[in-house]
Amino acid sequence: KAGVTQTPRYLIKTRGQQVTLSCSPISGHRSVSWYQQTPGQGLQFLFEYFSETQRNKGNFPGRFSGRQFSNSRSEMNVSTLELGDSALYLCASSSERGEVNEQFFGPGTRLTVL
Amino acid sequence: GESVGLHLPTLSVQEGDNSIINCAYSNSASDYFIWYKQESGKGPQFIIDIRSNMDKRQGQRVTVLLNKTVKHLSLQIAATQPGDSAVYFCGIYNQGGKLIFGQGTELSVKP
Repeated sequence: KAGVTQTPRYLIKTRGQQVTLSCSPISGHRSVSWYQQTPGQGLQFLFEYFSETQRNKGNFPGRFSGRQFSNSRSEMNVSTLELGDSALYLCASSSERGEVNEQFFGPGTRLTVL
Repeated sequence: GESVGLHLPTLSVQEGDNSIINCAYSNSASDYFIWYKQESGKGPQFIIDIRSNMDKRQGQRVTVLLNKTVKHLSLQIAATQPGDSAVYFCGIYNQGGKLIFGQGTELSVKP
């Protein structure tokens, strides 16, 4: 079974631009979560989608948004990029049907904002 | 607010020794705990999990201990190998369904 895939793997943008990252979960997984990883703040939860609905949200500004499609693939968008948005963005999927269980992470998208 | 902290940002052990990585959490209502390993250039990989109705769970060369009284979680790796070198994160699910991670402990294994 193929793992979680994320595209692109690396991205360089400039301040003020916007960016869209993509995540394809493991086949059959309906829950997709997004995390931001930085050296200073560690792994921080952005949001979670389940069956095309945002089920949970972290403490990030409205510039960070996401969506999930009917095939469970998910995208996250960051508008008006700031230097501090430079990070590794990780996507994780799980098969849980209302219960907590293991999340499988993708390799991440490394975003650099200049 | 909730917090998850690790006691040491780095840990260096000799190959063959046992490693212990610690994690403390603040929310006594947390009911599911999980450890991940992240190697350089990769996403986190699941190691082992434990629910709040247990205090110990064993996997292959790894053991997780949960002390709910002092809100402390630890990961023990037996006979540590060079391939165990990575950053280890504890993750704690809160009642809202969010997974909160600690900052991570970087484990270095000396040959």
